[in-house]
Amino acid sequence: GAVVSQHPSRVICKSGTSVKIECRSLDFQATTMFWYRQFPKQSLMLMATSNEGSKATYEQGVEKDKFLINHASLTLSTLTVTSAHPEDSSFYICSARWDRGRYNEQFFGPGTRLTVL
Amino acid sequence: QQPVQSPQAVILREGEDAVINCSSSKALYSVHWYRQKHGEAPVFLMILLKGGEQKGHDKISASFNEKKQQSSLYLTASQLSYSGTYFCGTENNAGNMLTFGGGTRLMVKP
Repeated sequence: GAVVSQHPSRVICKSGTSVKIECRSLDFQATTMFWYRQFPKQSLMLMATSNEGSKATYEQGVEKDKFLINHASLTLSTLTVTSAHPEDSSFYICSARWDRGRYNEQFFGPGTRLTVL
Repeated sequence: QQPVQSPQAVILREGEDAVINCSSSKALYSVHWYRQKHGEAPVFLMILLKGGEQKGHDKISASFNEKKQQSSLYLTASQLSYSGTYFCGTENNAGNMLTFGGGTRLMVKP
């Protein structure tokens, strides 16, 4: 399978600060990347779809001004959690979609555990 | 709409078999299977496309019945390393985003 990296893997910050998470597809180009949030023992909750060169599409209930997404190139998408608060603490996972023509494959990054104090 | 996975949890002894099901209320174009270990991101296992195909590698295989709008993941002669949560992700049309099921927690004991 393809490799998707995510950085940082773990971050602890104070309430009110902003945190940037990077997601990179290392060996393929991804016009579409996805950002998920996962709570303990729960499924993956899609936050937004990130498209290279255009604005991200946010799922209902996700504040776009709080979770800023930038898909700067075909291999890089970033998620910035602005003015983070303790309720934003979670496991954030990105994935990148590899267009194989007849079908797409989706590969996940290793995730970022965010703790807001 | 989220696909439904069953069972929600299963405990096995090493060497036993298990089946995990994924059902959708909508027509499916593809089904993707992932395994997630605690504290890690999901790892891609396989993708099945409509056409009723079956796939497998090692002792893990899957089938896809597009008429029934469901897929099953078969784990044969389970190993300790199979423990984790299995998710199915379904795609209704080509190019759509995946919708994930609630997950099936699998524990393999010695």
